[in-house]
Amino acid sequence: GENVEQHPSTLSVQEGDSAVIKCTYSDSASNYFPWYKQELGKRPQLIIDIRSNVGEKKDQRIAVTLNKTAKHFSLHITETQPEDSAVYFCAPWNRDDKIIFGKGTRLHILP
Amino acid sequence: DAGITQSPRYKITETGRQVTLMCHQTWSHSYMFWYRQDLGHGLRLIYYSAAADITDKGEVPDGYVVSRSKTENFPLTLESATRSQTSVYFCASSSTVAKNIQYFGAGTRLSVL
Repeated sequence: GENVEQHPSTLSVQEGDSAVIKCTYSDSASNYFPWYKQELGKRPQLIIDIRSNVGEKKDQRIAVTLNKTAKHFSLHITETQPEDSAVYFCAPWNRDDKIIFGKGTRLHILP
Repeated sequence: DAGITQSPRYKITETGRQVTLMCHQTWSHSYMFWYRQDLGHGLRLIYYSAAADITDKGEVPDGYVVSRSKTENFPLTLESATRSQTSVYFCASSSTVAKNIQYFGAGTRLSVL
C-alpha cells in the first residue's frame, strides 16, 4: 500500500522565520497533494493543495511545491506567526482513490 | 464547518459495550469518512462511503461497523468496545465534484475503560 512519511516530526522556528515540511509518498499514481492544519483540540482543515500537473502553488504566506519525479511535496510557510503553531498533515491521494495521512509535523513558533 | 456535526463530543464507556458515534452533514455530500486519531499515528481511515448504501473498508476497520441508509448520516458503531479503541474519532465529508477536499467534524473523544 501507499507509504507516506513526513519530516520533521517536530519543528521549532523563530517568529518571522520560514518553515518547511516535507512529505514523501510511494504511489507514483498519486495525483492530488493537500496539506491540512490542525490546531490544538480542533479539527483538521485544508490549507493548501496542488495537483500533479502543477509544480508550485502559493497562497499568501504558504506555498506547496511538488516534485513528482522524486515523489515528494513540501509545505512552505514564510514570515511565521504565532497562529501558525499547529500540527500539519500531508495527505496524498493514492491510486485506490483514498487519502493517506502522514503522521504529522508539530510546528512551534517561538517568540 | 457547521455543516458537519458529530455527536457525542465526549464519551466514556466500558470494555465490551456497544457504542455508536453519530455523524451528520447538511451539504448533501456523497462521500463520508471515519478516521481515528492517535498520538504518533496521525489520522487513519476506518471506513468510508461513496454514497448511500455503499461503504468500504479503510486502513483499520476491525472492530467497527458502519451504515449509510441516508446520504446525510454515517454512524460508526463499536460492537464490543476495547481499550485499544480509545481515541479521537473524526468524521469527514466531501462532494462528488471535489471528492479530494474533505471537511471534518469537530471530533468525538472516546475513552474505553
